[in-house]
Amino acid sequence: EVQLVESGGGLVKPGGSLRLSCAASGFTFSSYSMNWVRQAPGKGLEWVSSISGSSSYIYYADSVKGRFTISRDNAKTSLYLQMNSLRAEDTAVYYCARARNDYYGSGHSVWGQGTLVTVSS
Amino acid sequence: EIVLTQSPGTLSLSPGERATLSCRASQSVSSSYLAWYQQKPGQAPRLLIYGASSRATAIPDRFSGSGSGTDFTLTISRLEPEDFAVYYCHLESTFGGGTKVEIK
Repeated sequence: EVQLVESGGGLVKPGGSLRLSCAASGFTFSSYSMNWVRQAPGKGLEWVSSISGSSSYIYYADSVKGRFTISRDNAKTSLYLQMNSLRAEDTAVYYCARARNDYYGSGHSVWGQGTLVTVSS
Repeated sequence: EIVLTQSPGTLSLSPGERATLSCRASQSVSSSYLAWYQQKPGQAPRLLIYGASSRATAIPDRFSGSGSGTDFTLTISRLEPEDFAVYYCHLESTFGGGTKVEIK
């Protein structure tokens, strides 16, 4: 079964850091681009970052550039999002999503259940 | 940066009716990367359509996508009770604001 399971969310103070993980199973992980998409409470979807299968191509939304770092470990079939200098506006459910192929814009065909990040003092 | 504008914001319809959702891009885009998702409360989004008109795996044929250039449409031919949800269009690094399809 194709599956993505996120972890690492929680409550963090403004300015703090958090590392999200996404464990993938059921498919050849290295063959697909992976993405992080977030959704603030009661709001729409916002693309955060993407990484190609070999990590050769990495993209960030302007809202997180310089603060967040996406990475992957193909041997461990895992995706990560290191989030630093967190702000209240980063509060959201963070979804890990697999692209349909090794192009990040091909459509997200597999999604995790999401992990909630709350930034508050 | 490309902006995707979805309309209407809310669509109130009855089961069995036809739903037509619009997604307009701020400039001409490649239809190869235009996707549509359905999201129900408390759930992750689900891919419905990719490449503007191709149905994703296991998506019923009452869902169809069309369009090119700047104007794209998601059509649900006959609404089933499970179709009432929020729908998003998506192009690479941009999502539309969503259309909520609610029961009238």
